[in-house]
Amino acid sequence: DMQMTQSPSSLSASVGDRVTITCRASQGVNNYLAWYQQKAGRAPKLLIYGASTLQSGVPSRFSGSGSGTDFTLTISSLQPEDVATYYCQKYNSVPFTFGPGTKVDLK
Amino acid sequence: EVLLLESGGGLVQPGGSLRLSCAASGFTFTSYSMAWVRQAPGKGLEWVVSIAGDGGTKDYADSVKGRFTISRDNSKNILYMQMNSLRADDTAVYYCAKPGSNTITSGRGFDFWGQGTLVTVSS
Repeated sequence: DMQMTQSPSSLSASVGDRVTITCRASQGVNNYLAWYQQKAGRAPKLLIYGASTLQSGVPSRFSGSGSGTDFTLTISSLQPEDVATYYCQKYNSVPFTFGPGTKVDLK
Repeated sequence: EVLLLESGGGLVQPGGSLRLSCAASGFTFTSYSMAWVRQAPGKGLEWVVSIAGDGGTKDYADSVKGRFTISRDNSKNILYMQMNSLRADDTAVYYCAKPGSNTITSGRGFDFWGQGTLVTVSS
């Protein structure tokens, strides 16, 4: 079965730090890769689709890159409101699998 | 404004049934595939099932195949999920989600999510 992995599983960073989260697919996903942010007790929020396209209204400090099987979400300057769990998801074909998540908090 | 409002969650015994609903507004419902995504307590997100805009194509995760059934009423703008033979590991918050394009595989992820409804399977 198709697998999605993320690293790290959690990280602590300071306000203003550059944060990088990696997502890897066990098979190529043709850049049909999305990133979501989920704050505690809230529904997920779409940040990035197509591996690198910023969803409308999302701050420009978020960016996505990668292709094929290896993808990255970068927060250029971490803000307190970015404390959340981040998930990648492939949607090129069923099953539309999510990664296990990366929890980001403040140091 | 796009709104997705789930309902129907609650406490059910193992082996029991429950039907979830998701009332949609703010977009042309019949033009979009829709999906259910769940999240067990303290766990990650799991895609459960999706349905085409016309209700024709339905795809299920292996974990629910044969037990859950997705449907939609395009005259009422409501998405449903009938859950039978419920197990303890079905305990989760269930979200309905709308893709950013007409179909999920068209390339824009899930751009709107409901607030979720909690299903607890326990005796």
